[in-house]
Amino acid sequence: DADVTQTPRNRITKTGKRIMLECSQTKGHDRMYWYRQDPGLGLRLIYYSFDVKDINKGEISDGYSVSRQAQAKFSLSLESAIPNQTALYFCATSDLGGTYNEQFFGPGTRLTVL
Amino acid sequence: AQSVTQPDIHITVSEGASLELRCNYSYGATPYLFWYVQSPGQGLQLLLKYFSGDTLVQGIKGFEAEFKRSQSSFNLRKPSVHWSDAAEYFCAVGPRDKVIFGPGTSLSVIP
Repeated sequence: DADVTQTPRNRITKTGKRIMLECSQTKGHDRMYWYRQDPGLGLRLIYYSFDVKDINKGEISDGYSVSRQAQAKFSLSLESAIPNQTALYFCATSDLGGTYNEQFFGPGTRLTVL
Repeated sequence: AQSVTQPDIHITVSEGASLELRCNYSYGATPYLFWYVQSPGQGLQLLLKYFSGDTLVQGIKGFEAEFKRSQSSFNLRKPSVHWSDAAEYFCAVGPRDKVIFGPGTSLSVIP
């Protein structure tokens, strides 16, 4: 089984709808991240969490919110989806105790907002 | 402010040829440096990483990268490319806790 899973893998929704993307991990890592990927822009950080009680905004948090329900679960919500939120979304985890803090990524969720 | 540039948006090489992907960064201190690869339809996978020590770093899948402080660069190399190396490659730079990613270089491999 994959260490970092994301559901759903694909989602098509309409403008104004509320959407939740979920991420679960079995790696036992404390740190979790949400990124969006757009062509030519690389990955941009939306939110990150260093433990269950620690939530931080990233580079592009406007229009998004997150919930860290447990060490293993980190959800991303779009309260009122808009077309420019169409993108590929990745969840990642990292180990607080690791020297380099390299990140481990889920397979991604492709979101289309019509 | 930290930033990462990958000057080549897309590169095409023949199978068996050598490869170099460029990464330049702007950062106020010695950064943590990473190269990740994204195969089609997949998440990102770490190829290699550097913070200190020998400036030539070996990674998985036969890749290596060289840190050049004077040029603020961390270029990725492979002596002989395989068709399975076709993917998107991302350089990432930053402090230990939160890196930023470059825009990526898409690699195509011609048989």
